[in-house]
Amino acid sequence: RKEVEQDPGPFNVPEGATVAFNCTYSNSASQSFFWYRQDCRKEPKLLMSVYSSGNEDGRFTAQLNRASQYISLLIRDSKLSDSATYLCVVKGNAGKSTFGDGTTLTVKP
Amino acid sequence: DADVTQTPRNRITKTGKRIMLECSQTKGHDRMYWYRQDPGLGLRLIYYSFDVKDINKGEISDGYSVSRQAQAKFSLSLESAIPNQTALYFCATSVSGLGYNEQFFGPGTRLTVL
Repeated sequence: RKEVEQDPGPFNVPEGATVAFNCTYSNSASQSFFWYRQDCRKEPKLLMSVYSSGNEDGRFTAQLNRASQYISLLIRDSKLSDSATYLCVVKGNAGKSTFGDGTTLTVKP
Repeated sequence: DADVTQTPRNRITKTGKRIMLECSQTKGHDRMYWYRQDPGLGLRLIYYSFDVKDINKGEISDGYSVSRQAQAKFSLSLESAIPNQTALYFCATSVSGLGYNEQFFGPGTRLTVL
């Protein structure tokens, strides 16, 4: 079993749709959690951190469930510019980060 | 100017050649990392360094070595390149600490081993 597993996707949605991505992690001692965005073979960039209390940034909402070892990302009112690969990242207690394989989103007109 | 730079950006080489990929940063971060990414997969950690005197193996270090020449420079070497090392390589940096510390990535080096 992989340490970090994501929905395989791809997700193809129309503009304006709401889409949710899920991620599970296996190490219960994991310390911090992130969603990164990666555009077509470019470098990943931080989209948002995922706190225990959950957090929201505009159209994006991230949730963490430590008991179930589960992270989610919700995108509301999808835009064409949201098309990208979304990487779930889990940081362990040794300071190393483990990346999921990513979920690809394509938003269509 | 980019905060994290990688050279070269693209490289084609032959099996058995020694290759060095270089990473420099102007962010003043202590921690530096090397990852590789294969098509359809996430990033896998090759080596990481928490300061100049600290070098650690990641999950896929076989066939690779690194050198932390200074706080700002972290090089990755492929001692004898083989075709399955064809991949996109990313360098990253972060501040110290176990908390919510963002990693900042370089633009990547696309390496092809023939």
